[in-house]
Amino acid sequence: SQQGEEDPQALSIQEGENATMNCSYKTSINNLQWYRQNSGRGLVHLILIRSNEREKHSGRLRVTLDTSKKSSSLLITASRAADTASYFCATADYGNNRLAFGKGNQVVVIP
Amino acid sequence: EAQVTQNPRYLITVTGKKLTVTCSQNMNHEYMSWYRQDPGLGLRQIYYSMNVEVTDKGDVPEGYKVSRKEKRNFPLILESPSPNQTSLYFCASSLSRTSGIETQYFGPGTRLLVL
Repeated sequence: SQQGEEDPQALSIQEGENATMNCSYKTSINNLQWYRQNSGRGLVHLILIRSNEREKHSGRLRVTLDTSKKSSSLLITASRAADTASYFCATADYGNNRLAFGKGNQVVVIP
Repeated sequence: EAQVTQNPRYLITVTGKKLTVTCSQNMNHEYMSWYRQDPGLGLRQIYYSMNVEVTDKGDVPEGYKVSRKEKRNFPLILESPSPNQTSLYFCASSLSRTSGIETQYFGPGTRLLVL
């Protein structure tokens, strides 16, 4: 199945800095979703962006989607220690009853 | 509170001893799914269900069974567990649209060790 691929896979930043991570995928999608996972716990949904949308915001999060390049980015502004987590992108194809996850980005925010 | 619950949360078993991991959601979601998460491999889908009595294989279905007799429950069955099924398992549910899968709500995970 098609799978998003996150980049970079590991990121370490200082508190207050912005963190950007990218996701690339291979096929036509209906929507792309970003999730956060704190160590060993369940994934928490952050943002869903549809294929006809280019940008979406939620609090300190900004997601962009470029369907021509088959890529998405997640920006966390003014990062906090509590943002330390793994971040996953997942793609939902049209008419496909599946959500394909990438391998995740590990983000460490240093206080 | 809207949630997905899984039980047990932690399980140690031995090779060949049948086990069931339960999953229940209270959001009236049609779609439910099981994933396993292994270091370096991300989340891989095991089985999913579009609705009651409708199940289908994901990426890694070998060695697993599921059933969907009620909308809220989606148990994962390992009839003869093997050590390569040692993993962190997640159940998830979501609304389902003909255009694609919507936001998934995840359970807290079940950590399984097969000796």
